[in-house]
Amino acid sequence: KAGVTQTPRYLIKTRGQQVTLSCSPISGHRSVSWYQQTPGQGLQFLFEYFSETQRNKGNFPGRFSGRQFSNSRSEMNVSTLELGDSALYLCASSLKQGFEQYFGPGTRLTVT
Amino acid sequence: AQSVSQHNHHVILSEAASLELGCNYSYGGTVNLFWYVQYPGQHLQLLLKYFSGDPLVKGIKGFEAEFIKSKFSFNLRKPSVQWSDTAEYFCAVNLLTGGGNKLTFGTGTQLKVEL
Repeated sequence: KAGVTQTPRYLIKTRGQQVTLSCSPISGHRSVSWYQQTPGQGLQFLFEYFSETQRNKGNFPGRFSGRQFSNSRSEMNVSTLELGDSALYLCASSLKQGFEQYFGPGTRLTVT
Repeated sequence: AQSVSQHNHHVILSEAASLELGCNYSYGGTVNLFWYVQYPGQHLQLLLKYFSGDPLVKGIKGFEAEFIKSKFSFNLRKPSVQWSDTAEYFCAVNLLTGGGNKLTFGTGTQLKVEL
């Protein structure tokens, strides 16, 4: 089976812009989660989608949003980018609640 | 607040030395436990998992972990490390009572294995 794929792999944006990241889960996985990884804060949970519904949400401002499509692919959007949003954004998919999550390679976002 | 603690932030070992990385969590409910590894330039990979049953679980590449419920701990061990084990190791907890999937990660342990 193909793993979790994320596009783009690298992105450079300017403060104030918005960005959309994409994630394709492992075939058959309906749960997709997003995480932010930074040197200072480590790995932090953003949100989880299951069957096109947001099931869990982390402690991030409303500028961070996401959605899931009927084919389980997911996107996350960050509006009004700030320098502090520079991070590696990871997508993970899982078969069921509580099961192991499989991570993609991430999208490296740099905000200048 | 719910949290996951990894006691060692940086560990340096010589090849063939034994490894033990500590992980403690503060959740009171039912949890699933994981160790993930991130090799340099690679994405996070699952090392092993604990859901229920035998508290001693074995993972890939000779790693194992022991769940001690009374101590809220899930320590990672390997009897003899190799240079190729150089990586960052993350302990993660999924609290089941809240529904869904929401991993809370520890801060990670950077392991360097010297030849």
